[in-house]
Amino acid sequence: QITLKESGPTLVKPTQTLTLTCTFSGFSLNTYGVGVAWIRQPPGKALEWLALIYWDDDKRYSPSLKSRLTITKDTSKNQVVLTMTNMDPVDTATYYCAHANGYQYWGQGTLVTVSS
Amino acid sequence: DIVMTQTPLSSPVTLGQPASISCRSSQSLVHSDKNTYLSWLQQRPGQPPRLLIYKISNRFSGVPDRFSGSGAGTDFTLKISRVEAEDVGIYYCMQATQSPITFGQGTRLEIK
Repeated sequence: QITLKESGPTLVKPTQTLTLTCTFSGFSLNTYGVGVAWIRQPPGKALEWLALIYWDDDKRYSPSLKSRLTITKDTSKNQVVLTMTNMDPVDTATYYCAHANGYQYWGQGTLVTVSS
Repeated sequence: DIVMTQTPLSSPVTLGQPASISCRSSQSLVHSDKNTYLSWLQQRPGQPPRLLIYKISNRFSGVPDRFSGSGAGTDFTLKISRVEAEDVGIYYCMQATQSPITFGQGTRLEIK
């Protein structure tokens, strides 16, 4: 059974760096072809794909946010970490991680509010 | 980036009646491996997205057969044969043929 769960701060101040952790089970990021992605959704708005990391450490980023994002993995802990720098109130959103092979499995999401 | 455009943005439907949502991509979603990575997701209120359909027409495990997907190239459709109360939510099309992955704006399905 595949599960994913996001964790991190619920409130960050403008200009701060956000660090989110996706902890997963039921699969391994050592397995050929496997990837984990991050997606966000501002309140009342559509989904926006942010970043993806594959089993071989290949990384992909949203072009519009690439300069602010870093995605890393810790296979020993079954975790993927996303950092986003220079947070702004427009980055207020629910952040999801998902099993990127078909996006069949998603975490419940974590709401991050950016406010001073 | 590939732009995904859904119509309609809102769809009021009577229980038991069919519903249809269209999704058009700004370029062909046929991958070099010949697959078309077009998926449909359902998001019920307060819930994360849930995969319904992948590669145009394949229902994910546990998805009722009243949901079906069709299309090719740049034009795709999600159909619900008979809408039930639990189908209320927002439906998104998603392309994974080309990075970055992109989503449609979402279509809100509501009961009349």
